Amino acid sequence: GQNIDQPTEMTATEGAIVQINCTYQTSGFNGLFWYQQHAGEAPTFLSYNVLDGLEEKGRFSSFLSRSKGYSYLLLKELQMKDSASYLCAVSYDSGGYQKVTFGTGTKLQVIP
Amino acid sequence: DTEVTQTPKHLVMGMTNKKSLKCEQHMGHRAMYWYKQKAKKPPELMFVYSYEKLSINESVPSRFSPECPNSSLLNLHLHALQPEDSALYLCASSQHHGFAGNTIYFGEGSWLTVV
Repeated sequence: GQNIDQPTEMTATEGAIVQINCTYQTSGFNGLFWYQQHAGEAPTFLSYNVLDGLEEKGRFSSFLSRSKGYSYLLLKELQMKDSASYLCAVSYDSGGYQKVTFGTGTKLQVIP
Repeated sequence: DTEVTQTPKHLVMGMTNKKSLKCEQHMGHRAMYWYKQKAKKPPELMFVYSYEKLSINESVPSRFSPECPNSSLLNLHLHALQPEDSALYLCASSQHHGFAGNTIYFGEGSWLTVV
């Protein structure tokens, strides 16, 4: 099976930087997604990493190390609206199909 | 705004009812998905349709019956559900299925309550 681990909850201050980590043990690994999910809403796509390294997209950046089975999502200049759950999801080959399995999510609370 | 639209947004049904959830996308995607998400849990894959054919059924009970009438539409027919089936049902789509790196786009979900 797929084993994905991320912290359950985090708290950070408005304007600060926060890093949300995700570790995984996945056979047939293709890549790693990050999704944002506000309470009562559907997940929305943030990023997808296939190669090692950092990808920056505005205030959000995502990093991947395939050899270490590790990724993080970096949020800069935090805003109150960033309070949400952040889901790490791995894409992998399974029986000739591509599947995506989600981690349990990290609930981020941004405080003034 | 999401380009995957789901109806209804909220549904309350009895255990003997028959109802359907509907999903539509106009992005030209050829893969469509049903996920189920319980409170404080991650989404879990139920079904995958690829080019209008059922590719993956994650051992979902037969009281859930998917249907893909065409490449833009995906239905989930519900019959004889149990209260524990109450959850957020998410429809999603991607350009293809079976290719690494397909971004999956989610609809806003249908909140289902079984009474």
